[in-house]
Amino acid sequence: EAQVTQNPRYLITVTGKKLTVTCSQNMNHEYMSWYRQDPGLGLRQIYYSMNVEVTDKGDVPEGYKVSRKEKRNFPLILESPSPNQTSLYFCASSPNRLAGGYNEQFFGPGTRLTVL
Amino acid sequence: GDSVTQMEGPVTLSEEAFLTINCTYTATGYPSLFWYVQYPGEGLQLLLKATKADDKGSNKGFEATYRKETTSFHLEKGSVQVSDSAVYFCALTEAPWDYKLSFGAGTTVTVRA
Repeated sequence: EAQVTQNPRYLITVTGKKLTVTCSQNMNHEYMSWYRQDPGLGLRQIYYSMNVEVTDKGDVPEGYKVSRKEKRNFPLILESPSPNQTSLYFCASSPNRLAGGYNEQFFGPGTRLTVL
Repeated sequence: GDSVTQMEGPVTLSEEAFLTINCTYTATGYPSLFWYVQYPGEGLQLLLKATKADDKGSNKGFEATYRKETTSFHLEKGSVQVSDSAVYFCALTEAPWDYKLSFGAGTTVTVRA
């Protein structure tokens, strides 16, 4: 089944304890992205990657890191989590766009993170 | 930059009622417009899209028309079901070939039997 998977689905941690949220897609997509969802703010992009070893900042990158060593994986790293990073996180992927066309973004099920 | 404003919820309806969720946008270029749906406990799914003025996107009984003159993309469904209970997000990309999605705040819809 074509899908985007995230782990863990739920995580409660404490301030300053490094954590990684994994994201993996089995659709051979080039583009991958991380979003955070907060009440009243919709989804905001944290980082994105156009392909292996190519990553760039989104709208809210502070406090996050990413890497793209393999096409299928795009982990999100919080080196020193803080309570304001408590949120619902989504990973998404999309194939390379054909000229003049739009390719749908496929979202993972989400990771609910609580930082105490 | 580009932005999306959608009506605040929550919206509660009875089954078979008519649903409208308003969405307006601000964009400097020629954006593509989308509605995504998030069912409880799941990720977002693309519901419908429109890439140019006067295009109508439709799926699962939902429709939305790209209105450039009013910068709007309102979502409608004529007869909702309990299974339509979800959070609906209006979103745009700056151009049809763009990847980055800018989302509205989301509207929670609850349909009662």
